[in-house]
Amino acid sequence: AQSVAQPEDQVNVAEGNPLTVKCTYSVSGNPYLFWYVQYPNRGLQFLLKYITGDNLVKGSYGFEAEFNKSQTSFHLKKPSALVSDSALYFCAVSEGATNKLIFGTGTLLAVQP
Amino acid sequence: EAGVAQSPRYKIIEKRQSVAFWCNPISGHATLYWYQQILGQGPKLLIQFQNNGVVDDSQLPKDRFSAERLKGVDSTLKIQPAKLEDSAVYLCASSTSLAPSGELFFGEGSRLTVL
Repeated sequence: AQSVAQPEDQVNVAEGNPLTVKCTYSVSGNPYLFWYVQYPNRGLQFLLKYITGDNLVKGSYGFEAEFNKSQTSFHLKKPSALVSDSALYFCAVSEGATNKLIFGTGTLLAVQP
Repeated sequence: EAGVAQSPRYKIIEKRQSVAFWCNPISGHATLYWYQQILGQGPKLLIQFQNNGVVDDSQLPKDRFSAERLKGVDSTLKIQPAKLEDSAVYLCASSTSLAPSGELFFGEGSRLTVL
């Protein structure tokens, strides 16, 4: 069965510094991988996806993610963090060729000014 | 473009009572999803509709949960009778198709507290 793991409950970073939010996955076939962000009292918002092609995927708000097949990872990155990036970030994998997303437990990103 | 609308935003009930949540997806979106998000966990898919047909309801506790999308537009999720462990945020989402684009549009959720 497909699954994703987010090993860090919380990531703290100073504004202006680079950030990384980690995600590893387990799938039986080709992975379809996604990142979503959830601001307080708001619904989840799509950030970016990897389906095929270039291992470095660019998304909304300056975020990018790197797909690494050998390490089965899909880490979310941003070169320079903003206080407004503080939110809950979810990694997800699609089960098969449908939009049935399996989410990780989430990582709380806290960016300090 | 209007987003996914959900109501009510908050609901408090006692165990064994019933509750219903409503969702209106983005206009033209054929696929609709209900997710359950328990505090501290990631969202878990309960049921997925394509138009008014069920695509996947394998994780829906059918002894107490039911959902329908009769006209292929808005949807209701019902819990009867509720248990303490049903306390969660119920998220509705929609997308344009079943293809694995992964871009689901979520509503703000309905927070259920069961006492």
